[in-house]
Amino acid sequence: KAGVTQTPRYLIKTRGQQVTLSCSPISGHRSVSWYQQTPGQGLQFLFEYFSETQRNKGNFPGRFSGRQFSNSRSEMNVSTLELGDSALYLCASSLVGGLNQPQHFGDGTRLSIL
Amino acid sequence: GESVGLHLPTLSVQEGDNSIINCAYSNSASDYFIWYKQESGKGPQFIIDIRSNMDKRQGQRVTVLLNKTVKHLSLQIAATQPGDSAVYFCAENLKTSYDKVIFGPGTSLSVIP
Repeated sequence: KAGVTQTPRYLIKTRGQQVTLSCSPISGHRSVSWYQQTPGQGLQFLFEYFSETQRNKGNFPGRFSGRQFSNSRSEMNVSTLELGDSALYLCASSLVGGLNQPQHFGDGTRLSIL
Repeated sequence: GESVGLHLPTLSVQEGDNSIINCAYSNSASDYFIWYKQESGKGPQFIIDIRSNMDKRQGQRVTVLLNKTVKHLSLQIAATQPGDSAVYFCAENLKTSYDKVIFGPGTSLSVIP
């Protein structure tokens, strides 16, 4: 069974641009959640999608948004990029909605802002 | 504020010894706790979890202990192996108007052959 797939693996953008990251969950998993990982702030929860609806969210500004499609694949968008948005963005999936269960992570998209 | 903290940022152990990684959490409303292992260049990998109605849970070579009185979580790894070298994160699921998961800063475990 294929794991969680994130594309692209690496991305370089400049300040002010916007970016879209993609995540394909494990087959049969219906929940997708997103996380940001930086050396300074560590791992932080962004939001969770289940059945195409944002179910839970963390404390990030509205520049960070996401969506989920009917096949459970998810995208995350960051608008008006700032230098501080440089990070590893991780996606995880689980069978059903809710964060009180193990999350299966992909290997992330490394985003660098110049 | 809301936080999950680890007492030891780095830990070195001899191969074959037992490892104990500690974690403090600050939210009494958290109902679910989980440990992840992250190897270099990879995403976190689930190790073991525990719900707030339990004190202890055992897996293969790993045990998680939960002390709700002092808001403390620990991960014990028996007979530590070189393949256990990684960064370990604890996390709690905090139930507010939304659920959200809060991660600790991580502990780097190095196993000395």
